[in-house]
Amino acid sequence: AQSVAQPEDQVNVAEGNPLTVKCTYSVSGNPYLFWYVQYPNRGLQFLLKYITGDNLVKGSYGFEAEFNKSQTSFHLKKPSALVSDSALYFCAVRPVAGTALIFGKGTTLSVSS
Amino acid sequence: GAGVSQSPRYKVAKRGQDVALRCDPISGHVSLFWYQQALGQGPEFLTYFQNEAQLDKSGLPSDRFFAERPEGSVSTLKIQRTQQEDSAVYLCASSLGGTNQPQHFGDGTRLSIL
Repeated sequence: AQSVAQPEDQVNVAEGNPLTVKCTYSVSGNPYLFWYVQYPNRGLQFLLKYITGDNLVKGSYGFEAEFNKSQTSFHLKKPSALVSDSALYFCAVRPVAGTALIFGKGTTLSVSS
Repeated sequence: GAGVSQSPRYKVAKRGQDVALRCDPISGHVSLFWYQQALGQGPEFLTYFQNEAQLDKSGLPSDRFFAERPEGSVSTLKIQRTQQEDSAVYLCASSLGGTNQPQHFGDGTRLSIL
């Protein structure tokens, strides 16, 4: 079955430190990969996507993600965390032959001042 | 420009009642998706429209769930004879179409079945 795993329920970092939110996937072929962020009582907000090309993609609010085909991973990163980055982050994949997104369970990022 | 708009934001219904949830996608977006998000979980796909055509309804959990998009714009998700397990946030998303386009989400409708 196709799936997305976010192995950490919560990630805690201090403001100014780098952050990483992990994502691995099990999907046949070469899927499209996405990261979304969700604030309380709001919908999901698109951060970035990987379709093809450079393995490091840059997105909104200083976030970037690194695609690793051999490890089937797509980790979200940011060089310097802000308190305002605290939110729920979802990794999602879209199989090439499909239309719907398959989401992970989400990782809560908490950035302390 | 306006984003995806969903109404109502909150809906409380008694078990057995029918409910209708509305989604107004971003203007010009041909693709429209419905997802169900249970508490503490990621969204799960329900159904997909391209313009007015419902091309995939494989995620609808039962025949009590019905979705339509008659004019290729506004969509309605209807749940008949609601059950407690239908309690969730229902998210609508739209995109320009094309498999590499990001989906843009509304704020969702939080449905509570008593």
